[in-house]
Amino acid sequence: DGGITQSPKYLFRKEGQNVTLSCEQNLNHDAMYWYRQDPGQGLRLIYYSQIVNDFQKGDIAEGYSVSREKKESFPLTVTSAQKNPTAFYLCASSPGTVSQYFGPGTRLTVL
Amino acid sequence: AQSVAQPEDQVNVAEGNPLTVKCTYSVSGNPYLFWYVQYPNRGLQFLLKYITGDNLVKGSYGFEAEFNKSQTSFHLKKPSALVSDSALYFCAVRDMGGSGDKLIFGTGTRLQVFP
Repeated sequence: DGGITQSPKYLFRKEGQNVTLSCEQNLNHDAMYWYRQDPGQGLRLIYYSQIVNDFQKGDIAEGYSVSREKKESFPLTVTSAQKNPTAFYLCASSPGTVSQYFGPGTRLTVL
Repeated sequence: AQSVAQPEDQVNVAEGNPLTVKCTYSVSGNPYLFWYVQYPNRGLQFLLKYITGDNLVKGSYGFEAEFNKSQTSFHLKKPSALVSDSALYFCAVRDMGGSGDKLIFGTGTRLQVFP
């Protein structure tokens, strides 16, 4: 997990609230990614960014938003439009050599 | 579209026995293939990758994987399993289609090593 931090580790949200998950890396990687993990479904890509001030939707972007204002930061906002947000969220970064390096994850629970 | 399949949800093996975790792929062009491991409530850790060259790739913690083009497989192997190898294992393939460079993950295989 070294070099990539995610906070908080656990997050609880009431229905109708927006919440923001933090992802920071000090590896000087250009690319960053957000995944959602549900039991039995593996990892599904939410958003990714190849460079600062640019990002693309992944397979399940609806109900999520991101920004990439700084190279080291790629926060993910889970909006009230996401109807089933309870999941484990993983952030990753890549230096452009294909391999990705993962953070420790944030577990989001909707109350 | 690129994809990988992990046909087994769970693999059980006794400590000291060899283990195999299966992965098959479907790609256009030459595949870039990866194996990652995840321990409970943790992020994924990189084990190994195949890009080109020898079909047998060696990785971390004594794991290796064999690339088989004719069978479109990239099975993960270890000669002697440890209880501490018990974890969730993901196979992945590189996808350079669309607007970016990303990985497509399989659904994961839970490895349980019994003492």
